[in-house]
Amino acid sequence: QQQVKQSPQSLIVQKGGISIINCAYENTAFDYFPWYQQFPGKGPALLIAIRPDVSEKKEGRFTISFNKSAKQFSLHIMDSQPGDSATYFCAGGGSNYKLTFGKGTLLTVNP
Amino acid sequence: DSGVTQTPKHLITATGQRVTLRCSPRSGDLSVYWYQQSLDQGLQFLIQYYNGEERAKGNILERFSAQQFPDLHSELNLSSLELGDSALYFCASSARTGRADTQYFGPGTRLTVL
Repeated sequence: QQQVKQSPQSLIVQKGGISIINCAYENTAFDYFPWYQQFPGKGPALLIAIRPDVSEKKEGRFTISFNKSAKQFSLHIMDSQPGDSATYFCAGGGSNYKLTFGKGTLLTVNP
Repeated sequence: DSGVTQTPKHLITATGQRVTLRCSPRSGDLSVYWYQQSLDQGLQFLIQYYNGEERAKGNILERFSAQQFPDLHSELNLSSLELGDSALYFCASSARTGRADTQYFGPGTRLTVL
C-alpha cells in the first residue's frame, strides 16, 4: 500500500502551454502530498504541497488539484516556460514522516 | 540553497570497497533521511533518523548502514560495494512536526563503482 504511481513518464510542451502531471496513491494514511522539481545534477526542491483538507492549491503558475475519493492528485503548470524543463516528482507522506515518491516525469518545454 | 550539505560531491571507487557519505541537516532540523536515486528505480527511501535514533527503514541493503551523531550530522556507510550501487545518494532533513512535512534535499553525492 505504499506505491505512488506517476504519469506520464515524459512530457513535451510548447512554451506558453499547460503541463499536466498526474499521480495516484494507494495508502489512505497519506496526509501530505508534495511535488518536487529536480534539475540535472541538483537535489530535488519542493515546488508546492497540499494536504487533503483542500481540493486545490495555487502558487503562481503552479496548481495542485487533489481528489481524495479517487486517491489522485495532479500538478498543473500554466504558461510553461523553457526554464520549467526539469524532472518532477510527486510524493505521499503520512504520520511516519517518510515520503514515498513517484517515478518522476521528465518535462521538456520547447521555446 | 536548501541548507542541507553533503560531502563529497563525487566519489569513485572499486568493487568491494567501503565508503562513507556525510550529511549535515538544516539548522534546527532533527530528522535526516537518506535516499538512493538511480535511473531505473527513481528516488528510493533508505533510512530515517530522528535526533540520533533510527525511526524508519526502507529499501536499505544489509551492506549499508547509517547513523546520526549528537551534533545531528549523519553518515551513510556503504560496504562491499557492487557495480549496481552506483547512483546518486541524497540526504534530506525536516523539522519534526508530528506528521509528514517538507523535506529539504541536499545536492547529493554521486557514487561511481568501477
